[in-house]
Amino acid sequence: AQSVAQPEDQVNVAEGNPLTVKCTYSVSGNPYLFWYVQYPNRGLQFLLKYITGDNLVKGSYGFEAEFNKSQTSFHLKKPSALVSDSALYFCAVRDEGANFNKFYFGSGTKLNVKP
Amino acid sequence: GAGVSQSPRYKVTKRGQDVALRCDPISGHVSLYWYRQALGQGPEFLTYFNYEAQQDKSGLPNDRFSAERPEGSISTLTIQRTEQRDSAMYRCASSLAGTNTGELFFGEGSRLTVL
Repeated sequence: AQSVAQPEDQVNVAEGNPLTVKCTYSVSGNPYLFWYVQYPNRGLQFLLKYITGDNLVKGSYGFEAEFNKSQTSFHLKKPSALVSDSALYFCAVRDEGANFNKFYFGSGTKLNVKP
Repeated sequence: GAGVSQSPRYKVTKRGQDVALRCDPISGHVSLYWYRQALGQGPEFLTYFNYEAQQDKSGLPNDRFSAERPEGSISTLTIQRTEQRDSAMYRCASSLAGTNTGELFFGEGSRLTVL
């Protein structure tokens, strides 16, 4: 079965510094990987996805993620953090084959950006 | 509509009562999903529709849970004889088509509290 792991419950970073939110995955076939962000009292918002092609994927709000097949990782990055980036971030993998409709989410990482 | 709309946003009910949670997906979105999110966890798959057909209900915890989408648009998730363990955020999402590369668009969720 597909799964993702987010090893950090919380990440703290100062505004203006680069940020990384980690995600590792386990899949039996091709990985279809996604990042979502959840602001307080809001729904999950799509940030970016990796399906195939370039290992560096660019997404919304200046975020990007690097797909690393050998390390089975899909870390979320941003060169310069903003206080407004503070939120809960979820990595997800989509199943394939007959179960393509299922997304498996990590437990989430809370990002705190301090002014 | 502009986004996925869920109602009610908050529902408090007594144990043993039935509840119905509604989801109005983005206009034109073929696929509709229900997820459940416990506090501190990522969303977990419940069920999935393509048009009006329930394609996968393998994530429904037991037979007290059911879902329908009779006209291929609005969906209702019904929980009968609610129990305290049913307390969670219930999230609806929709996507353009049932492919393994598309992202989900989430509503703001319905928070259910069973007393």
